[in-house]
Amino acid sequence: DAKTTQPPSMDCAEGRAANLPCNHSTISGNEYVYWYRQIHSQGPQYIIHGLKNNETNEMASLIITEDRKSSTLILPHATLRDTAVYYCIVRVNYGGSQGNLIFGKGTKLSVKP
Amino acid sequence: DTAVSQTPKYLVTQMGNDKSIKCEQNLGHDTMYWYKQDSKKFLKIMFSYNNKELIINETVPNRFSPKSPDKAHLNLHINSLELGDSAVYFCASSQDRQGGTQYFGPGTRLTVL
Repeated sequence: DAKTTQPPSMDCAEGRAANLPCNHSTISGNEYVYWYRQIHSQGPQYIIHGLKNNETNEMASLIITEDRKSSTLILPHATLRDTAVYYCIVRVNYGGSQGNLIFGKGTKLSVKP
Repeated sequence: DTAVSQTPKYLVTQMGNDKSIKCEQNLGHDTMYWYKQDSKKFLKIMFSYNNKELIINETVPNRFSPKSPDKAHLNLHINSLELGDSAVYFCASSQDRQGGTQYFGPGTRLTVL
């Protein structure tokens, strides 16, 4: 079972920032927060991950609260092509079954013109 | 250049048949995976191979047999296909067995009639 809770859906206006929340209140000290997205009919795409510190890359920013019980993925200027299901996943960075990516239901983000 | 490729993209077959799906990655990664996404859109890991060695096998019926001829290829063979096998199957790869950052293929939609 997924260890995260996400809203089932969100809307965002094109050009605006999309802020996608994720609750992971039972996260362990050695578990990372990963974000993936799945655009319709395509394979999932890695976005970003972090442990404690906030992270930023060319796709998005990840803000993790100090107690690590929740995080927010920020798409700074959403475009129509960002319409997708976004998955928040917590996992240890081990190989084998311990480190499985467990995909929940995710948040369906709809970016509207 | 496609990083992770799968063939075929669509596969329609009768119950009881045997079929194979092929996957190739040109990223030089050591670890490859097979996932199944069912009609409810849940994405679940099935198998993982690291350098041709099976490292994850998530209670998948033994009608499913992965085969890795080399670390760039992981094929999925399914015997005696059943209606419940209808799904989209995704192949993925990661640099090593830690596997947090995975690159997914475009998927193979299998329909069993």
